[in-house]
Amino acid sequence: DQQVKQNSPSLSVQEGRISILNCDYTNSMFDYFLWYKKYPAEGPTFLISISSIKDKNEDGRFTVFLNKSAKHLSLHIVPSQPGDSAVYFCAASERNNDMRFGAGTRLTVKP
Amino acid sequence: DAGITQSPRHKVTETGTPVTLRCHQTENHRYMYWYRQDPGHGLRLIHYSYGVKDTDKGEVSDGYSVSRSKTEDFLLTLESATSSQTSVYFCATQEPGDSEAFFGQGTRLTVV
Repeated sequence: DQQVKQNSPSLSVQEGRISILNCDYTNSMFDYFLWYKKYPAEGPTFLISISSIKDKNEDGRFTVFLNKSAKHLSLHIVPSQPGDSAVYFCAASERNNDMRFGAGTRLTVKP
Repeated sequence: DAGITQSPRHKVTETGTPVTLRCHQTENHRYMYWYRQDPGHGLRLIHYSYGVKDTDKGEVSDGYSVSRSKTEDFLLTLESATSSQTSVYFCATQEPGDSEAFFGQGTRLTVV
């Protein structure tokens, strides 16, 4: 029973354009959402997060949007850069514990 | 960087043998986690610990056990390795109340 779903296994965008990565969840008790980035042969690294009391959080080129009624969040990267090419994992937790992850989306940014 | 070291980084083992993976942290984080990463499944939680000798099962705990006798070490044991346990294993640590968890570099385990 996958409580966090990333339905797009891969995404390819041109350098300078916007990348939009999507994530859906089923557990209404989740109150914290995170995005992690993973390069090959490395562990995931934290990128950005949002709590359920907000609908948007921005950090430089990265913005996460949360739609609680639709149980949907998205990560926007603007402008996309070749160094952003990685696998992005969406994660959700209840009271900041016990994160559940999606299957990941592989982003390729073409020069 | 939370100073998380996983050992070994790579291991090949035979079906039916016991295997222990070690996670060592230097940041004194109270929470520790073991995940496995498989294509199409992302990261799935195996076991977690909220403190010394305080462990609990995650989503995919069958065939695995853990121990945490010290804050800095979290051991994952495959009691009798099977080919379905071939995977990349990640350890993570977190302080209570913090949003961010820190991950180790992973252990690639192959069961033949």
